[in-house]
Amino acid sequence: GENVEQHPSTLSVQEGDSAVIKCTYSDSASNYFPWYKQELGKRPQLIIDIRSNVGEKKDQRIAVTLNKTAKHFSLHITETQPEDSAVYFCAASSRSGSGGGADGLTFGKGTHLIIQP
Amino acid sequence: NAGVTQTPKFQVLKTGQSMTLQCAQDMNHNSMYWYRQDPGMGLRLIYYSASEGTTDKGEVPNGYNVSRLNKREFSLRLESAAPSQTSVYFCASSEVRANTGELFFGEGSRLTVL
Repeated sequence: GENVEQHPSTLSVQEGDSAVIKCTYSDSASNYFPWYKQELGKRPQLIIDIRSNVGEKKDQRIAVTLNKTAKHFSLHITETQPEDSAVYFCAASSRSGSGGGADGLTFGKGTHLIIQP
Repeated sequence: NAGVTQTPKFQVLKTGQSMTLQCAQDMNHNSMYWYRQDPGMGLRLIYYSASEGTTDKGEVPNGYNVSRLNKREFSLRLESAAPSQTSVYFCASSEVRANTGELFFGEGSRLTVL
């Protein structure tokens, strides 16, 4: 089944600097890659997603890049702010019934992003 | 709209007790899911329901049962709770399948099994 590796597990950056979180996936058939943000004690919420027919997508200070050949995708946050502090999860689609995310979505283990004032 | 509502928010059980986590969504979504979240493990799928009347196992189904009562409601039952089931449980729903569109999560239910 699909396997999603996410790095780093913890990332500390100075406020105003950029942060990059990287994920790799194993299933070459994966075609949908969402990113979820979970603030402390809250529910995960989708912040951005990308499909395999594009290489990059931006939404204000957030961008995601996808390299299908290398099977990795990354989340980029520029001009970080205190409210960016959270756990970020990447995910990759997989074929239903292939194990892991049986409905076709496998999550990484998460990155705790800490914004230092 | 309330979105996805799950109850209870907190529960403490003794080993061997049973309980049911309730979930309801008011977005007319077809697909509903139960995930568990453990430190350092991310979100792992327990069971899902692609449509009313169907349910399927996810990555970690052992020790759980589910019921898709109607299009709105999807419950998760622990028949005989074990300490390994101590976790935060999230219900989620999506208009389409999880591998194509956004998942909307409930606020979570923190379960402790002593």
